[in-house]
Amino acid sequence: DAGVTQSPTHLIKTRGQQVTLRCSPKSGHDTVSWYQQALGQGPQFIFQYYEEEERQRGNFPDRFSGHQFPNYSSELNVNALLLGDSALYLCASCLGSGANVLTFGAGSRLTVL
Amino acid sequence: QQQVKQSPQSLIVQKGGIPIINCAYENTAFDYFPWYQQFPGKGPALLIAIRPDVSEKKEGRFTISFNKSAKQFSLHIMDSQPGDSATYFCAASSINAGNNRKLIWGLGTSLAVNP
Repeated sequence: DAGVTQSPTHLIKTRGQQVTLRCSPKSGHDTVSWYQQALGQGPQFIFQYYEEEERQRGNFPDRFSGHQFPNYSSELNVNALLLGDSALYLCASCLGSGANVLTFGAGSRLTVL
Repeated sequence: QQQVKQSPQSLIVQKGGIPIINCAYENTAFDYFPWYQQFPGKGPALLIAIRPDVSEKKEGRFTISFNKSAKQFSLHIMDSQPGDSATYFCAASSINAGNNRKLIWGLGTSLAVNP
């Protein structure tokens, strides 16, 4: 049973560029959340998707956007990249938007130069 | 404003020791308190979790102690092993009016267990 899969695992971008990160939830899960984890810090909640809608959002600018597809997979898009966007981006899935138990992927490491 | 405060930032113990990691929270609406373990290059993995109506929970060598009145909770690792060397995060969550949850995380504790 595959867990949460994320792609790409690593990528390097330059300031001002745009990036798309992808996530496939664990089999049987229908809700996807995205977190940003800066080096040496705890994850910060970006947003949550359920039933193809953004259900709640953390304190992130509109440059961060997402999408959930009918098969429950999700994308995170970041526009106009800043150096400070360099981080590990984690995708977590669960069954139901109010569920407690999250399963995390290994993350996508984004470096902005 | 850090809603979940975690200490210490790093911890070194000898094999067999009992490392203790502490967390404090402010929001009394939090109703779920998990601990996650993260190894380098991996995503966080749920270790153990507790609800505020319980004062202690044990799973194997891991124990959570919860003090609702003090708004504090802690993780104890019994008979620690070198394989427990990882970063540990406490977190807290509550459910909003739309039946949605999000996790608020501590800053993490880097644990090293020496052989």
